[in-house]
Amino acid sequence: EPEVTQTPSHQVTQMGQEVILRCVPISNHLYFYWYRQILGQKVEFLVSFYNNEISEKSEIFDDQFSVERPDGSNFTLKIRSTKLEDSAMYFCASSEWGTLNQPQHFGDGTRLSIL
Amino acid sequence: DAKTTQPNSMESNEEEPVHLPCNHSTISGTDYIHWYRQLPSQGPEYVIHGLTSNVNNRMASLAIAEDRKSSTLILHRATLRDAAVYYCILRQGAQKLVFGQGTRLTINP
Repeated sequence: EPEVTQTPSHQVTQMGQEVILRCVPISNHLYFYWYRQILGQKVEFLVSFYNNEISEKSEIFDDQFSVERPDGSNFTLKIRSTKLEDSAMYFCASSEWGTLNQPQHFGDGTRLSIL
Repeated sequence: DAKTTQPNSMESNEEEPVHLPCNHSTISGTDYIHWYRQLPSQGPEYVIHGLTSNVNNRMASLAIAEDRKSSTLILHRATLRDAAVYYCILRQGAQKLVFGQGTRLTINP
């Protein structure tokens, strides 16, 4: 069964440094998402992306965050200047369409640790 | 964002059925009911969804009340691998999924 893959599984970065998290969505999917989960807390939506544009974003997704689909397969989340509070699990997801009856398929996440 | 209410935790025994309830009294006519689960150290996993009628798939069944104000996820024969946090989510007209705290399901051998 096709799956969403994320790399790296664990990223350790010094505060203030830039970090790029990578995702390969399922190949025929058109909608892509990033979520995060701070340890012990809820899964939170960050951003959705379709047709090379952000279609929706949350308040968390401020100017420090950006997303890109640099080629036909990868989808990346960049945090420009990391803060301690960015430490979390980051999940990428994809769906074939963006409609209400479409499931989203998640990767197993990247654990980001900011020192 | 439409609110759902789930018990914080439930416990069941292996090979027995499990009924996970969800209340969504403010649901509107076009809201889909989705269920996801999150196994330890993994990303959320889609389980099932429905609109008005009961639904079955290889993982579970979804029973939706006639007034749609509640639903129940049914695992017909629980295994240890079904131990996870189960999330009931209303999809309303935005692309995002809004996760609550979910129900932590423990399966006893």
